[in-house]
Amino acid sequence: QVQLVESGGGVVQPGGSLRLSCAASGFTFSSYGMHWVRQAPGKGLEWVAFIRYDGSNKYYADSVKGRFTISRDNSKNTLYLQMNSLRAEDTAVYYCANRIFDYWGQGTLVTVSS
Amino acid sequence: EIVLTQSPATLSLSPGERATLSCRASQSVSSYLAWYQQKPGQAPRLLIYDASNRATGIPARFSGSGSGTDFTLTISSLEPEDFAVYYCQQRSNWPPRATFGPGTKVDIK
Repeated sequence: QVQLVESGGGVVQPGGSLRLSCAASGFTFSSYGMHWVRQAPGKGLEWVAFIRYDGSNKYYADSVKGRFTISRDNSKNTLYLQMNSLRAEDTAVYYCANRIFDYWGQGTLVTVSS
Repeated sequence: EIVLTQSPATLSLSPGERATLSCRASQSVSSYLAWYQQKPGQAPRLLIYDASNRATGIPARFSGSGSGTDFTLTISSLEPEDFAVYYCQQRSNWPPRATFGPGTKVDIK
C-alpha cells in the first residue's frame, strides 16, 4: 500500500536551516509530482511547494519563496524540503502529499524558537 | 489569488443529524474543488474531489455538490467518527498549487 513517511523535523533557532525528507513506497514515485503542505499549531493548512515528477519544475508559496527548496531523488524514492532562514512563523507540522492529495504522510514537526 | 471562505466556522450537531458545510471561492474554480477531513493528530484525509466525486473508500453518507464559486459538503447522517475539522481546497493544474479554506469544525452538541 502507499506509504509516505516524513522525517527530519526538530527544534531550530531563528535563521537556522533544516532538511525534511519524505520516503515514499507502494507506488511508482518517479511518475508523480509531489507537494509539501504545512499546518501551524492550531491553525489551518497551507500549501508550501510542488515538484514535478522528474524534478524539472518547482513551485512555491510566496511565504517560502527564496528560502525553501523542494527537490527529489527518484533513485531513492525520496522527496526533500530544504528550509533556510527559518522564522518563528515557519513553526508547523510539515506533510508531504502526492500530486492529487489522496495520500499524505503523518507529518513532521518543525519548531523555530530560540 | 483565489480565496476560499468556509461557513460556519463551527457546527454543533448530534449523531444521526445531517451536516451541511459551505465553501465559497472568490472567483470561479470550475469544479476543481476538494474536501478533506482532519482529526486531531492526524493528516488530512481526502473525501471528495472535483466537487462531487467520492475518494476511494469514503462512505456514501458523504456527498459534495456545486460548481463555480459555491460548494457544499453534506454528511447525511453523522456517525461518531465524523466529528472533525473539514477543509475545502482549490487545486490549480497550472501553475500547480493549492489553496485551502480556513476549515469548519463539526463538534458534538
